[in-house]
Amino acid sequence: DSGVTQTPKHLITATGQRVTLRCSPRSGDLSVYWYQQSLDQGLQFLIQYYNGEERAKGNILERFSAQQFPDLHSELNLSSLELGDSALYFCASSEDTGNNQPQHFGDGTRLSIL
Amino acid sequence: AQKITQTQPGMFVQEKEAVTLDCTYDTSDPSYGLFWYKQPSSGEMIFLIYQGSYDQQNATEGRYSLNFQKARKSANLVISASQLGDSAMYFCAMRGAFSGGYNKLIFGAGTRLAVHP
Repeated sequence: DSGVTQTPKHLITATGQRVTLRCSPRSGDLSVYWYQQSLDQGLQFLIQYYNGEERAKGNILERFSAQQFPDLHSELNLSSLELGDSALYFCASSEDTGNNQPQHFGDGTRLSIL
Repeated sequence: AQKITQTQPGMFVQEKEAVTLDCTYDTSDPSYGLFWYKQPSSGEMIFLIYQGSYDQQNATEGRYSLNFQKARKSANLVISASQLGDSAMYFCAMRGAFSGGYNKLIFGAGTRLAVHP
């Protein structure tokens, strides 16, 4: 158990819809990261928050947004969903942003767009 | 730009044997971290081992060791005494000090390991 909690585990929805994925980091971790894993793109970094502030952006679409709340949990919002958004979405957390800090991953949310 | 290359899409190993999973990387950062993660068929990502670019000794964690050759830019994972539960996808990843900040992990494409009894 990594200590990172993601909900829901599975999500099935239709094109054009909007969903929210939720992440609770490990106790004491200030940094939260979101990744997308798909068959064609592999594991791609989306966005990172540190103690409530956005720190880095990766290949995140404009239809996607995220935030980190004062209690440090984070939400990833995906809107106007397309078939290609079907993927496994991971949240990870680490104590800070040092390059020797391992990121601990949650079990992921598997999103299926019908 | 940083890049991770895992050239072995799939590997087989007999139970109790050792296996090496290859990883090469490319970066211009002087300071970076290298990580290995395991992804079983159930989907979760499990952190295995870390190696810092300035570390003099190869990292070890139980049955996992990292064969770090800085001049060759390689960071191979060695699993000793393979067990059936080691069957999974293995990802090599890197974090750099400057490009992209101390933030994102860059992953390789992964190697699927199958352990046979």
